[in-house]
Amino acid sequence: GQNIDQPTEMTATEGAIVQINCTYQTSGFNGLFWYQQHAGEAPTFLSYNVLDGLEEKGRFSSFLSRSKGYSYLLLKELQMKDSASYLCAVVNDYKLSFGAGTTVTVRA
Amino acid sequence: SAVISQKPSRDICQRGTSLTIQCQVDSQVTMMFWYRQQPGQSLTLIATANQGSEATYESGFVIDKFPISRPNLTFSTLTVSNMSPEDSSIYLCSVRGRGGDTQYFGPGTRLTVL
Repeated sequence: GQNIDQPTEMTATEGAIVQINCTYQTSGFNGLFWYQQHAGEAPTFLSYNVLDGLEEKGRFSSFLSRSKGYSYLLLKELQMKDSASYLCAVVNDYKLSFGAGTTVTVRA
Repeated sequence: SAVISQKPSRDICQRGTSLTIQCQVDSQVTMMFWYRQQPGQSLTLIATANQGSEATYESGFVIDKFPISRPNLTFSTLTVSNMSPEDSSIYLCSVRGRGGDTQYFGPGTRLTVL
């Protein structure tokens, strides 16, 4: 079976840093995706990790530890437009299983 | 990146009717999927649309309720059959990039069943 856990909500101030954790227990592992989803819109691809370590893309970074079943998404220099839901998705074989998502609210 | 379009973008349907959702991709893709996102929830995989063969359904989803066609590598349809209010949801088409390290989603079809 699949078990993917993320915090439900996080709040941070504009310009700050927020780290969204994702822990998983899955029967197989072929990578981990992070998506951003604004209300009423489709998820947009942020990052993909398949090897341990940190992947950096501008203000967003994603980290993976396969031995710990753990990933995080780091959002730096938060902007108001970063207020959204962030979804962790684990690839098992070729299929994605999603966590429930973390709603991030950025306050001025 | 792949550009994905879906039709219709939204619809309001009566109980007992069926709706077919179309998904068009701007490039040939091997792997195409259909997801459902119920209000306030995350995404659930309905099935993998296979070109030239029957779709592969996830537990809890059956072909009679969600028939899928995949006539070529750029197009697929999902039909929601004999609808009930519990089928009210957003239905999303998704494709995997060639290297397997990206996966993109279409804009979704927002379905309301009365």
